[in-house]
Amino acid sequence: DVVLTQTPVSLLISLGGQASISCRSSQSLVHSNGNTYLHWYLQKPGQSPQLLIYQVSNRFSGIPDRFSGSGSGTDFTLKISRVEPEDLGVYYCLQRTHNPFTFGSGTKLEIK
Amino acid sequence: AVQLVESGGGLVQPGKSLKLSCSASGFTFSSYGMHWIRQAPGKGLDWVAYISSSSGTVYADAVKERFTISRDNAKNTLYLQLNSLKSEDTAIYYCARTSSFDYWGQGVMVTVSS
Repeated sequence: DVVLTQTPVSLLISLGGQASISCRSSQSLVHSNGNTYLHWYLQKPGQSPQLLIYQVSNRFSGIPDRFSGSGSGTDFTLKISRVEPEDLGVYYCLQRTHNPFTFGSGTKLEIK
Repeated sequence: AVQLVESGGGLVQPGKSLKLSCSASGFTFSSYGMHWIRQAPGKGLDWVAYISSSSGTVYADAVKERFTISRDNAKNTLYLQLNSLKSEDTAIYYCARTSSFDYWGQGVMVTVSS
């Protein structure tokens, strides 16, 4: 199975600051069709996860441009600029390239 | 608006069965693949099963042969039949839409305990 390693485990960021979360895969996430199915989610406290970024770098509907995704192959990054109070929660990466689909273990973002 | 509402959870003894439902609205349900994902208390997310729009299915190894995903397009409803339940199946179960898991339900709790 593909293992997604997320770092750091937790982040303490000041309001207005920038956060960076890494997601490294145990194998390439480039599908045979050429697409890379690496997505990012935020689970706010007491809520269901919500999609932020799909296929590495595409912001989902309604997601502000403070959120950006990048990377290729096995190495991916989510950046959050100008951190706001509503950004707190646990961030997960997910790969849907290889079956079984797997999630990273999560990164908890706390606000200073 | 897209809405997914899970139901059918509860407390069940080990070895017993349960059937979860996910009622969909706000989109053409029959055109989308659907997933079940679970989250054990205080833990991360685990993908459980997927059913395509044409009813092809894929399962995580941990639930293969015990869980069955299905759909009724006439009722706009996704199902997960859970058999031979174990304590480690205790979790919140979420349904989610399509390949990007773009919309999620609120989740339903399943507790397996004697």
